[in-house]
Formats: sequence, structure tokens, C-alpha cells
Amino acid sequence: DAKTTQPTSMDCAEGRAANLPCNHSTISGNEYVYWYRQIHSQGPQYIIHGLKNNETNEMASLIITEDRKSSTLILPHATLRDTAVYYCIVRVAGSEKLVFGKGTKLTVNP
Amino acid sequence: GAVVSQHPSWVICKSGTSVKIECRSLDFQATTMFWYRQFPKQSLMLMATSNEGSKATYEQGVEKDKFLINHASLTLSTLTVTSAHPEDSSFYICSARRGQDYGYTFGSGTRLTVV
Repeated sequence: DAKTTQPTSMDCAEGRAANLPCNHSTISGNEYVYWYRQIHSQGPQYIIHGLKNNETNEMASLIITEDRKSSTLILPHATLRDTAVYYCIVRVAGSEKLVFGKGTKLTVNP
Repeated sequence: GAVVSQHPSWVICKSGTSVKIECRSLDFQATTMFWYRQFPKQSLMLMATSNEGSKATYEQGVEKDKFLINHASLTLSTLTVTSAHPEDSSFYICSARRGQDYGYTFGSGTRLTVV
């Protein structure tokens, strides 16, 4: 079963930052948080992942709370092409598997 | 880097026939690959973990005799849907990971329609 909780849907204005929250209150100390997105009828695209520290790459930033029970994915300047379903996934410790939850449908509006 | 190629992109087959889907890691070796299935408006469901040189590990409720997985090399895993029926129509997606410090890369998916 997925170990994360995300809002079902969110809207964001084009050019503004999109902040997508994720709750993973049962996460254990050595479990990673992964973020992926899926545009309709395509395979999921890797965005970012982290363990404890905040992470940033060319696509997004990942902010993980100090207790690691929640995280936020930040798309700094959302574009229309960022419209997708965003999945927050906690990889089970000791397992290679990624189990997907329902994700957040992000709609970027012009 | 870390490209996963999936073939075919879409396939239509008759009920009762078998269909093979290929998943290749193009620029890295993957000892482990994963197969997912996705129905319309639903999330990805993990079907099985494909291990190079050994038997696949199937998730609960997935019929291993119906969904045959072969991981013959470090760059190729295949999923064969045997005796396909219309209810097997779905979007099948594979993934692989280059190493522990990297994320998982997904293929572009295969749309299977059984008529």
C-alpha cells in the first residue's frame, strides 16, 4: 500500500510557483521520498528524490520537514506543460519497489 | 543518460493470443526491472519485479502464468501476456534504476488493446 497522502487536485497560475504537499507520517529513518509526474498516456517522469536534506535540481525543489513526516515539491515557475499528475512515493526500506498512490492532479492555468 | 526504451508503444491483438512487450535499458545495466499496469483514470499498479538471471517476483493477485516475465540480460526484460482477454487491455509500463544513488527511469509505456 502507498504510504503517502496527497491532495487529489490543485490549480496553479502560469508563471507562479506550484507547491505540492505530501504527507508521509509513517516514514522510517532510512526511507527515501521520491517525486514523479505523469503526463497523460506517458510513462512517469522522475523529478527529484531525497532522504533528509532539502534537494534542488533543474526541475524542482524538494523540502522535507525536520521530522520527515511531510514534504513539499516546489515548481518555481509553473508552465502549462507542467500540467500532470504528481506522485509522492516513499520507497520501503530494504526494498527496491516503488509503490504509487493516487497522486495530485496539477492543472496550470494560463 | 538513464534511458529506458519500451516496445511496442501500442498493440492490438485478438482475444486468446499472446503479446510480448520489451523493456530495454539503453545506456546502463539493470539487474532489476519493474512492471506496472495502469487502467484509465487510475494510478500505476506494480505487477512484478524482474530479476536478471532468476525468476520474477510477482505482487499479490498477479497471475504469474498469465504474465510471463523474462529478464534474460542486464539490459532487457520482457513481459508476455498469455492468452490475452479484453480485461487485460491496459497501459503497461516498465522501469529500471541505474544504481542506488539514482532515481527510477520509466519506459514510455505500451497500450495493449485486446479485441
